[in-house]
Amino acid sequence: DVKVTQSSRYLVKRTGEKVFLECVQDMDHENMFWYRQDPGLGLRLIYFSYDVKMKEKGDIPEGYSVSREKKERFSLILESASTNQTSMYLCASSTSRVLNTEAFFGQGTRLTVV
Amino acid sequence: AQKITQTQPGMFVQEKEAVTLDCTYDTSDQSYGLFWYKQPSSGEMIFLIYQGSYDEQNATEGRYSLNFQKARKSANLVISASQLGDSAMYFCAMREDSSASKIIFGSGTRLSIRP
Repeated sequence: DVKVTQSSRYLVKRTGEKVFLECVQDMDHENMFWYRQDPGLGLRLIYFSYDVKMKEKGDIPEGYSVSREKKERFSLILESASTNQTSMYLCASSTSRVLNTEAFFGQGTRLTVV
Repeated sequence: AQKITQTQPGMFVQEKEAVTLDCTYDTSDQSYGLFWYKQPSSGEMIFLIYQGSYDEQNATEGRYSLNFQKARKSANLVISASQLGDSAMYFCAMREDSSASKIIFGSGTRLSIRP
């Protein structure tokens, strides 16, 4: 059974803290994604990676960075957490170069910044 | 730039009726793929159906079908004979061939099925 695993289901952090959200996939997928989900805004792409050490900005990269040192792991970093980064964060992975394959999602991390 | 628009924030439908969820998209690519996902209250993202831009037939998967109108750039999801378990958020998504890694989503439609 294919799996994308996010390290935490719920997180509470303080303003200004550095926050790491971890995501691991076991499908040998080339592509990995980080989205944030907010009511009325749907899923917005923060960053994605199409290979180890390769990354591209999505639509809302400000205040975030990412790291992909190994193919199976993609980390989202909030350098200095702010209250407007309180949200649901979803990690996903997919194979590359084949249009008709869907992305597989983790269970999500609900982050609250206080 | 690629863009997905879902204009129905919420819908109420009577059980056993058919329902259409709207999705329009914008792309300059000739080759692209369109996806629909379901997100129940548990939060998991469930893939429902896929339509390729070159597919001549509308995609179908059980009670789900995709009404694909390429000239209008619309890819509406049709759910036949709705069930209480269909109550969920539904997201339309797109992947362009020129940027095969990137998948973007719409804002979603919350579907509620009335018994």
